[in-house]
Amino acid sequence: EVQLVESGGGLVQPGRSLKLSCAASGFTFSNYGMHWIRQAPTKGLEWVASISPSGGSTYYRDSVKGRFTISRDNAKSTLYLQMDSLRSEDTATYYCATDYYSGVFLFDYWGQGVMVTVSS
Amino acid sequence: NIVMTQSPKSMSISVGDRVTMNCKASQNVGNNIAWYQQKPGQSPKLLIYYASNRYTGVPDRFTGGGYGTDFTLTINSVQAEDAAFYYCQRIYNSPTFGGGTKLELK
Repeated sequence: EVQLVESGGGLVQPGRSLKLSCAASGFTFSNYGMHWIRQAPTKGLEWVASISPSGGSTYYRDSVKGRFTISRDNAKSTLYLQMDSLRSEDTATYYCATDYYSGVFLFDYWGQGVMVTVSS
Repeated sequence: NIVMTQSPKSMSISVGDRVTMNCKASQNVGNNIAWYQQKPGQSPKLLIYYASNRYTGVPDRFTGGGYGTDFTLTINSVQAEDAAFYYCQRIYNSPTFGGGTKLELK
C-alpha cells in the first residue's frame, strides 16, 4: 500500500525557515517524480514544486523560486521541501504527491498534509 | 500563464440527479486536463486524467469530457458520498488548478 507521510510543519515567524519531509513507502520511490502542492485555509489547490526521479531536475512556481528548495533522498525514500524567507502568504497545508506518469505532473497518491502557519 | 476557470462555484443537487460542472482554460491545452475530488478534511483524490480517462477504482458514474479550452465533469446519479469540492488541473509543466466547484447535496 502506498503511503506518504508529511512532517515538519508548524508555526514560524515571517522571514524564518522551515523544512518539510515526506516519508514514502509501498512503492519504488526512486522511480517516480514527486511533488509538493499546497492549499491555503479555505482556498483551492496550488502546485508548489516538483522533482524528477533522480533529483536531477527541479521545477518551482514563480512565487517560491529562490526561496524554496525541493530535494529527495532516494536511499531513505524521503522527499523534502526547504522553505526559506517565509511569508504570510505561504501559510497553507502542504501535501506531497506522486507522479502518475513521469514528467506529466499528474498527482495520483497524496499524503495527509502538514500545516504551515507563517505569523508573528 | 494558463488560467483555469471553473463554474459554477457551488451547486446543490439531490441524490440521483445528474450534474455537470465546467472548467475553461485560457489557452488551448488539448486533452491535458485532470479532475480531482476533495472531501472535507481529506486529501484530494484523482478522478479523471487526459480529460476523459477514469482513474483506477473511480466509479463509472464519473465522466470527463472536452478538448482544447472547454472541459466538463459529469456525475450521473449523484450519491451522498459525492458531496465534495471538485478541481480541474492543467497537467504538464507549471500545472495549474481551477478554483474549484463545491457540490452539496440537498
